[in-house]
Amino acid sequence: GDSVTQMEGPVTLSEEAFLTINCTYTATGYPSLFWYVQYPGEGLQLLLKATKADDKGSNKGFEATYRKETTSFHLEKGSVQVSDSAVYFCALIPYQAGTALIFGKGTTLSVSS
Amino acid sequence: GAVVSQHPSRVICKSGTSVKIECRSLDFQATTMFWYRQFPKQSLMLMATSNEGSKATYEQGVEKDKFLINHASLTLSTLTVTSAHPEDSSFYICSARRRAAGPDTQYFGPGTRLTVL
Repeated sequence: GDSVTQMEGPVTLSEEAFLTINCTYTATGYPSLFWYVQYPGEGLQLLLKATKADDKGSNKGFEATYRKETTSFHLEKGSVQVSDSAVYFCALIPYQAGTALIFGKGTTLSVSS
Repeated sequence: GAVVSQHPSRVICKSGTSVKIECRSLDFQATTMFWYRQFPKQSLMLMATSNEGSKATYEQGVEKDKFLINHASLTLSTLTVTSAHPEDSSFYICSARRRAAGPDTQYFGPGTRLTVL
């Protein structure tokens, strides 16, 4: 079945460091891809999304590009801040298969000043 | 933005009791609500999909008699964990899809931490 694999955490960085969180997926057809963020004590929030190959989603300095050839959707940010500390989930919605999200296991990011 | 609330945020109960968790869309109508379960350091696992006015669709391996879901209105869905046991302790999260929104538009509640003693 369809699935999402993302890098194990935790990821620990200093402020202003470059961030990459890897995400790969297995799916038939053309799924929509998402990154969600969960700040401590809060619900999941959509960070960015891409719905077709080569699309780039971006928000709050984060970006990810839908790469069909490598079935990847890696999350990047050029300069992280302490406020970016959270759990990041990569997810997909299968093409023409309903609307439930399939999540990766989540990656905890901790940024120190 | 669209807001989804859950109540309670935390609940501790004795084994054998039932617990009801509410999920509300505060400022929009939700035709579909989803219930997820999240184990520590693990992904969110979809438990069931709930459409207003119809029976919930449960994922394989989820006991529908144990996890009762009711979606009585366009703004409220409830999950009742019946005869809870310690292995039911988990973080339960709901999400709601806004009516007339695309299939990829879901808004998540803050979650409910259930601890069964």
